[in-house]
Amino acid sequence: GAGVSQSPSNKVTEKGKDVELRCDPISGHTALYWYRQSLGQGLEFLIYFQGNSAPDKSGLPSDRFSAERTGGSVSTLTIQRTQQEDSAVYLCASSWTANYGYTFGSGTRLTVV
Amino acid sequence: SQKIEQNSEALNIQEGKTATLTCNYTNYSPAYLQWYRQDPGRGPVFLLLIRENEKEKRKERLKVTFDTTLKQSLFHITASQPADSATYLCALDDSSASKIIFGSGTRLSIRP
Repeated sequence: GAGVSQSPSNKVTEKGKDVELRCDPISGHTALYWYRQSLGQGLEFLIYFQGNSAPDKSGLPSDRFSAERTGGSVSTLTIQRTQQEDSAVYLCASSWTANYGYTFGSGTRLTVV
Repeated sequence: SQKIEQNSEALNIQEGKTATLTCNYTNYSPAYLQWYRQDPGRGPVFLLLIRENEKEKRKERLKVTFDTTLKQSLFHITASQPADSATYLCALDDSSASKIIFGSGTRLSIRP
């Protein structure tokens, strides 16, 4: 596609429920990243996928968070047993190669009530 | 770990003037540094990348400098316009060179 697509754009969920956030990167981009941004804060790195290599999960805040990237394209970020502190905007980005000129999606705003 | 510092206070500039934003970093020597623009409710948009062996890079009304001795980058917008109002994020590659780390951003407002 022309850009990075994320869905849903907004998600309200009850505490304790599981949620799945989807990211469709730009076709041909080998690198895919997930970040989250809390209100008024900077971007916090979560996870990075590069081609067929093992993902860099060093930013995942707890074992309730997981992500996968199928076929080197679409990625899903899953948060299990959501907590109120998980409320944030979750941003996905892709790039041709690691670290150069990320293209971001518009994000998924997650609200845990 | 790396630490990136950007002016936390908003910067208010008169239209037509040059806006200068500062990014300082510690604990690491990145291979390159990037600047992004973020509008409310949107993801960041990539603007410029400067490498450690480059002192300056320009793109239209934008200019970025990179001083690896001072561990500082300056981002300039010349002939600023109200449409330039946004939050500007500085980012640098982390020590693993597999991802970039972002500063918290500086909000810029250009008044007519």
